[in-house]
Amino acid sequence: GESVGLHLPTLSVQEGDNSIINCAYSNSASDYFIWYKQESGKGPQFIIDIRSNMDKRQGQRVTVLLNKTVKHLSLQIAATQPGDSAVYFCAENLQAGTALIFGKGTTLSVSS
Amino acid sequence: DAGVIQSPRHEVTEMGQEVTLRCKPISGHNSLFWYRQTMMRGLELLIYFNNNVPIDDSGMPEDRFSAKMPNASFSTLKIQPSEPRDSAVYFCASSTGGGNEKLFFGSGTQLSVL
Repeated sequence: GESVGLHLPTLSVQEGDNSIINCAYSNSASDYFIWYKQESGKGPQFIIDIRSNMDKRQGQRVTVLLNKTVKHLSLQIAATQPGDSAVYFCAENLQAGTALIFGKGTTLSVSS
Repeated sequence: DAGVIQSPRHEVTEMGQEVTLRCKPISGHNSLFWYRQTMMRGLELLIYFNNNVPIDDSGMPEDRFSAKMPNASFSTLKIQPSEPRDSAVYFCASSTGGGNEKLFFGSGTQLSVL
């Protein structure tokens, strides 16, 4: 089965709200995690990544949190905008030098 | 800089025909990946190359699928013969390799097999 999964397939928020997208992973040995955003008709686009020796990393309006105890990853988007509407994927790297394994994705819908 | 370039963007073909998808990775990237995306199965890894050498092809569905990377700037994914269940979006991605796992994706090829 999937080694990376998501808690919710869809998330609807109002413009200006904060969004939290969750992801669970099953392999405690995974050492690298990454979030991608995919807009309709486009390829996945890198948002932010984090290594297992960290529990938080911040970017511009985005924060990734890693809880290794419960094998949980989350993406927080501050002041969500209509342009944030997309499918968000988490992915993990089971071993250095191998390929990313992707979860199924969460669709984020932002209404004005 | 140009990103990962895939062609064609769309391909419509009939069952039994040969299909060839093409990818040009980002210049200087040493690793290249082929993924397939469907609603049911999400993004699945098909195969990846390091320095033009196939490393893991365990995701290739069956012998009808083959991939090559003749040089550092070009790769192909071929399906022969194609079947309707092969209909999906096929993505190529590249990375600098050497332990850097961040992938840069192309825009994908939407394949429809009738």
